[in-house]
Amino acid sequence: GESVGLHLPTLSVQEGDNSIINCAYSNSASDYFIWYKQESGKGPQFIIDIRSNMDKRQGQRVTVLLNKTVKHLSLQIAATQPGDSAVYFCAENTGNQFYFGTGTSLTVIP
Amino acid sequence: EAGVAQSPRYKIIEKRQSVAFWCNPISGHATLYWYQQILGQGPKLLIQFQNNGVVDDSQLPKDRFSAERLKGVDSTLKIQPAKLEDSAVYLCASSLVHIFNEQFFGPGTRLTVL
Repeated sequence: GESVGLHLPTLSVQEGDNSIINCAYSNSASDYFIWYKQESGKGPQFIIDIRSNMDKRQGQRVTVLLNKTVKHLSLQIAATQPGDSAVYFCAENTGNQFYFGTGTSLTVIP
Repeated sequence: EAGVAQSPRYKIIEKRQSVAFWCNPISGHATLYWYQQILGQGPKLLIQFQNNGVVDDSQLPKDRFSAERLKGVDSTLKIQPAKLEDSAVYLCASSLVHIFNEQFFGPGTRLTVL
């Protein structure tokens, strides 16, 4: 199977600070990447995606950066809020398969 | 817009028993996915349908797992017989058509095998 990993299993940030969640992927042929947010007892929720022909994509308070040279993906959350507390997964697409990482648990400290 | 519906939400069975999960995707979504999420891990794709045809089932343990989407709408995932290691949350997701379309996940079914 594919290897999609996250550098930090847990991350704690102060409310209002920026958060950065990192992800490494192993398949250079992956052409599509997605960040998901999963709250306890719920299914994953799409946050933002990026295709391999892009380096950066911005959404509302979130930015995804893709570095294909080192096969690294990051999610930046601006002005982190308590509602951002959740587990964040990166996922990569290769062919018809989506591979998810283990997840990073983000805790926002009020 | 109604989301992806799944039932039951929880199921407890003994090993070697059978179990079935049901998923109703968002109306109009042609693509349906079943994922297995073991506690502390990311979801693992088991099977992907496009309408009523299987696109990928390479990670489905076919000796005990089966899935169908006969009319291209609802889907069922069955485990027979269940093993202890099947304890997980089973997530269903759907998307419009293309793999680049956003996947919408249901709340999942938490299975405990004793």
